[in-house]
This record gives sequence, C-alpha cells and structure tokens, in this order.
Amino acid sequence: AQTVTQSQPEMSVQEAETVTLSCTYDTSESDYYLFWYKQPPSRQMILVIRQEAYKQQNATENRFSVNFQKAAKSFSLKISDSQLGDAAMYFCAWSGAGTASKLTFGTGTRLQVTL
Amino acid sequence: DTAVSQTPKYLVTQMGNDKSIKCEQNLGHDTMYWYKQDSKKFLKIMFSYNNKELIINETVPNRFSPKSPDKAHLNLHINSLELGDSAVYFCASSQGQPGPMNTEAFFGQGTRLTVV
Repeated sequence: AQTVTQSQPEMSVQEAETVTLSCTYDTSESDYYLFWYKQPPSRQMILVIRQEAYKQQNATENRFSVNFQKAAKSFSLKISDSQLGDAAMYFCAWSGAGTASKLTFGTGTRLQVTL
Repeated sequence: DTAVSQTPKYLVTQMGNDKSIKCEQNLGHDTMYWYKQDSKKFLKIMFSYNNKELIINETVPNRFSPKSPDKAHLNLHINSLELGDSAVYFCASSQGQPGPMNTEAFFGQGTRLTVV
C-alpha cells in the first residue's frame, strides 16, 4: 500500500522569506502523480502544484516549486517570497496513474507566516 | 460558478439520526469521490464512483451508503449516526481517465458534520 509521510507538523516563515515543506512517499508503482494541496481556514482544498513521476523536470507554479527526487521518493515544496495568504495546512498527496485512482494524503503541515 | 458543490456546509444532528450530504459537479468529470477529514485533519478516501459505478469502497461502516444517480451527482447517506462520525466530509471529482492532467481532483468546500 502507498504511504505518504510529512514529518513537519508545523512550520513558520517570515513574510518574503522562503520555506520548504518536506514529503516522502512509498510506492512500488513506476508511474504515478504527486500533488501539493493547500487548505486555508476556509477549509477549501486547493491544488497548488502537480508533478508527473515520469518527468525529470521539477514542476513550478509562480512562487511555488517542487524538488522531486524519484529515487529517494521525496517530493518537497518550496514557497518563495512567502505571503500572509500562504498561511494554511499543506497536504502532500500521491495518486496512481490508473483510471480514477484515489489520492493518498500525508498528515499535513501547518504553515504560519509571520510579519 | 462552483465546480464541485456540496450541501449542506454544516450539519449538526443527534446520535441515531439518518442524514444525507449531496454533491454535484459541473466539470463533466467521470469520477467522483468522498473523502473524510478527521479531527486531526487527516484525509482519507471513503468511496469512488466512475460513471455511476462503485469502484473504490474502503473499509467504511455499512451505515455509510453512497448513491450516484448520474455521473454529475454523488450523495452520501449515513444511517444511525454516531459521535465518531463527526468530521468534515469532502466530495471531489476528477476526469478519471489515465493521463497526467486527469488524476487531479477538484474538491467541494466540505461538509462539517457534528454529531451530538
């Protein structure tokens, strides 16, 4: 069974600084997808960034980028120029490549952004 | 124009009652899901339907019964509610066909269920 581990229950970053959230996963599949979701206090789950396992290039979305290390099964999220609106729970998630594959989530990292 | 909408957003009910949560998606997706987020914020899949057919049924008590009248709707009915059922329930949808863009799940805003 797939597992996703987020070892940092809480992180804090100052506004305008950079922070990295870590995520490791375990799978025996060769083709899969990885995601970071953001859950602000509003409770809405918002997709931040997606990575296809077959791609060597790390995904980037504006201030958000990932460091995907397939051999190490590591998928960290880097947030640059942190903003107050980045404060939220961040969940790392794994999905297989088959039809209608479910998401397996990590336990989440609560990110605080301070002035 | 909400993509995945759930009703109600909040639900407070007594133990032993039966309640339903409705979900609708207007994205044209083939697959819909129910996830449960517990008090520690842990999210776990409960059910998944693809074109109205149940394809994922995790270890969930029989008191939980999903129903998909068509591929745009997936409702969750819960019988004989217990205190431990208190959680946030998320509906989600995805394209459901293999491919890099198609496993992205779009989530509803969640339903906070409180059983008293």
